[in-house]
Amino acid sequence: KQEVTQIPAALSVPEGENLVLNCSFTDSAIYNLQWFRQDPGKGLTSLLLIQSSQREQTSGRLNASLDKSSGRSTLYIAASQPGDSATYLCAVDTGTASKLTFGTGTRLQVTL
Amino acid sequence: GAGVSQSPSNKVTEKGKDVELRCDPISGHTALYWYRQSLGQGLEFLIYFQGNSAPDKSGLPSDRFSAERTGGSVSTLTIQRTQQEDSAVYLCASSLSTLQHFGDGTRLSIL
Repeated sequence: KQEVTQIPAALSVPEGENLVLNCSFTDSAIYNLQWFRQDPGKGLTSLLLIQSSQREQTSGRLNASLDKSSGRSTLYIAASQPGDSATYLCAVDTGTASKLTFGTGTRLQVTL
Repeated sequence: GAGVSQSPSNKVTEKGKDVELRCDPISGHTALYWYRQSLGQGLEFLIYFQGNSAPDKSGLPSDRFSAERTGGSVSTLTIQRTQQEDSAVYLCASSLSTLQHFGDGTRLSIL
């Protein structure tokens, strides 16, 4: 059974810092990995999707990497801003009907 | 453009009552998913619909949970004889391919 773990569970950084969120998964037979953002009381917004054949994806200040063989992904956020404060979730897709297995998330707070 | 719409946004009910949660997917999306997000359990897959195929119900936690999707569009998730452990946020997502688009969820509280 696929298990997804995210470290740290919570993180507080001052504005402007670069930061890294970690995600690990136990079964490397994945179809893709996605990073989502969730604001309080809201649904999930997809940030980046990395196919199993890819090593990384970039969108603006966000960069996600994938090392499938070691079961790890990182989300790098450059020059953090207070608006980045949210919970970040990673999810793996094992290709079975695209059912996602989610990590428990990292709650990020960026302070002024 | 309209995203995934869920109703109600909040639902409070007494233990033992039945509840129905509704999801309106993005028009044209063939796949629809229900997930549950609860404290301590994170986000869990419940059920998946794809076109006219039989749904994948492998994530439903008990036979008190059921879901249907009428006309390949709107879906309702029904929980019968609710228990306190059913308290959670129920999220719906739809997709045309790989990327899933999520609604804001229904926050269900069982008293």
